[in-house]
Amino acid sequence: DTEVTQTPKHLVMGMTNKKSLKCEQHMGHRAMYWYKQKAKKPPELMFVYSYEKLSINESVPSRFSPECPNSSLLNLHLHALQPEDSALYLCASSHHRDRGRTGELFFGEGSRLTVL
Amino acid sequence: KQEVTQIPAALSVPEGENLVLNCSFTDSAIYNLQWFRQDPGKGLTSLLLIQSSQREQTSGRLNASLDKSSGRSTLYIAASQPGDSATYLCAVRRNYGGATNKLIFGTGTLLAVQP
Repeated sequence: DTEVTQTPKHLVMGMTNKKSLKCEQHMGHRAMYWYKQKAKKPPELMFVYSYEKLSINESVPSRFSPECPNSSLLNLHLHALQPEDSALYLCASSHHRDRGRTGELFFGEGSRLTVL
Repeated sequence: KQEVTQIPAALSVPEGENLVLNCSFTDSAIYNLQWFRQDPGKGLTSLLLIQSSQREQTSGRLNASLDKSSGRSTLYIAASQPGDSATYLCAVRRNYGGATNKLIFGTGTLLAVQP
């Protein structure tokens, strides 16, 4: 099983709403990532979790709040977003690149977010 | 600062043609390089991963090469098919920092294979 599952696939929200994106993997990966991708651009890293602890925050606005409740789950809580936050949000996971592992990233299908 | 560039930005070829996609990076201190495919509105599918100590990797009709010293990687697609139409992204992982340091993505090549 090399699958990363993201829900919902599509989300439309107003600027005052609170919503969450969810990501799940069962590959035993202990590193999980959130990326944001705008149209015709490469993905941009937002957050990295390592062993369920936040290890990288790429200066993301506080209206995005990540959470890693256990080694298989990653959430992204959304509050008071702006229309410019509309994008494809991608979750990925990997083994750590130690003990001879490659650290190959596996991505989910993404959650398409539209902020009205 | 690592910069990753892909040339060409877009490519249209007839079915059956062999083709090469290029990826250039400015900092040769990389741990590995990963090639991905992305269909419109979808997530990224990992195609090949090349470790910094390797010269090439093959999977089916795909062959990826790595020349670290010159900062280049190529993805060779043999006997292209319309189903190969997608955006192809390369990404490099640097060789220093933590065990989960980030991938730096290239700008992508949009490939269209005409039937």
